[in-house]
Amino acid sequence: GQQLNQSPQSMFIQEGEDVSMNCTSSSIFNTWLWYKQDPGEGPVLLIALYKAGELTSNGRLTAQFGITRKDSFLNISASIPSDVGIYFCAGRPQGAQKLVFGQGTRLTINP
Amino acid sequence: IAGITQAPTSQILAAGRRMTLRCTQDMRHNAMYWYRQDLGLGLRLIHYSNTAGTTGKGEVPDGYSVSRANTDDFPLTLASAVPSQTSVYFCASSPGANTGELFFGEGSRLTVL
Repeated sequence: GQQLNQSPQSMFIQEGEDVSMNCTSSSIFNTWLWYKQDPGEGPVLLIALYKAGELTSNGRLTAQFGITRKDSFLNISASIPSDVGIYFCAGRPQGAQKLVFGQGTRLTINP
Repeated sequence: IAGITQAPTSQILAAGRRMTLRCTQDMRHNAMYWYRQDLGLGLRLIHYSNTAGTTGKGEVPDGYSVSRANTDDFPLTLASAVPSQTSVYFCASSPGANTGELFFGEGSRLTVL
């Protein structure tokens, strides 16, 4: 089936640093979404992207729908302790109805 | 506002036993989903339902069954549990079948011995 490659798998950063993670696919996607999962909870939607080239912000978070429609990135600026968690990209392949999820990026922040 | 409620929160189960994970939503969403989360594999779709009365197979449906008798409830049944079904299971819903904006429950951690 469709696969998303999410990288990096894990990140260890200092508080205040900026973070960048991305997802790539070998096929075209019509929708890209970014979710965050806090420990012991279910994922929560952060940002949804519906058009190639779209750049959307949500507070300190910024995500972009790649112009080729095969990738997306998420940036977090000036990280804070509550940013800790697992970040998942998800996308809807062209012609498919259901989402495909990436493997996740585990973010750890050292105060 | 409850959103999505899953039960049980965690369960240890002997192999071969039957188990049903419950999921209820109070948002009147049409579509509901069951995912399993395993380390390094992300979230994989088990079964889904676009609307009450219909269900479909996801990426990893074998060994699982679902039903959607009404809008609110979407139980997941393991007819005869095996250790490879040890995982964290998440139920989710969305207003429509074609939106990627999912609302997740808090998960059910299942251990099959």
